[in-house]
Amino acid sequence: KQEVTQIPAALSVPEGENLVLNCSFTDSAIYNLQWFRQDPGKGLTSLLLIQSSQREQTSGRLNASLDKSSGRSTLYIAASQPGDSATYLCAVSSGTYKYIFGTGTRLKVLA
Amino acid sequence: NAGVTQTPKFQVLKTGQSMTLQCAQDMNHNSMYWYRQDPGMGLRLIYYSASEGTTDKGEVPNGYNVSRLNKREFSLRLESAAPSQTSVYFCASERYSMNTEAFFGQGTRLTVV
Repeated sequence: KQEVTQIPAALSVPEGENLVLNCSFTDSAIYNLQWFRQDPGKGLTSLLLIQSSQREQTSGRLNASLDKSSGRSTLYIAASQPGDSATYLCAVSSGTYKYIFGTGTRLKVLA
Repeated sequence: NAGVTQTPKFQVLKTGQSMTLQCAQDMNHNSMYWYRQDPGMGLRLIYYSASEGTTDKGEVPNGYNVSRLNKREFSLRLESAAPSQTSVYFCASERYSMNTEAFFGQGTRLTVV
C-alpha cells in the first residue's frame, strides 16, 4: 500500500531564506506527483505537477524534483516571503485510489 | 472563472440525519473526486468518477453514496450521519483520471453532533 510521508510537519523560517520541503513515498510505481498549497480554511491549490518521466518542474520561485527510484520529492522555495505561509501537501498518483496525500508541512515565514 | 464549486460551505447535522453535498465544475473535466480531510490523517479518497456515468469506491467509502449527475456535477450523500463523519470534505476534478492537474473546491466543513 502506497504511503506518503512529509517531513518536517512544521517549519518556521525568517523571510528571505531558501527552504526545502521533503516528501517520501513507499511505492516507486507512480504516475505523477503533485505539490499543493492549502491556506487555513481553504481548498487546495496546485503548485506543480511532475510526471513520472520527469525529474523536476519549476514555477517562479518554486522548484520541485522527483527521484522515483529513491521514493523522494523535494519542493524548493527560493527567497521565502510571509505570503508563502501555508500548509504544503504532497500527493502521489498510483494505483486505484488516484492521489495518496501526505499530511503536509505547515510553513510559517516570519517578517 | 468558478472552477470547482461546493455547497454548502458549512453544515451541522444531528446523528442519523441525511444530507447531500453538491459539487460542480465548469472546466469540462472528465474525472471528479470526493475526499475527506481529518487532522493528522491527510486527505483520503471517498469515491471517484473517472468519467461521466461511472463511479468507484475509494479508500473510505463506507457510509457514503455518490451520484455523477452529468459531466459537471458529482454529489456525495450521507444517508445516516455519524459523529465519525465530522470532517472537511473536498471535491476535486481533473481533465482525465491520470497525469493531469487536479483542481479542488473550497471545502465543506461538516459537524455531526
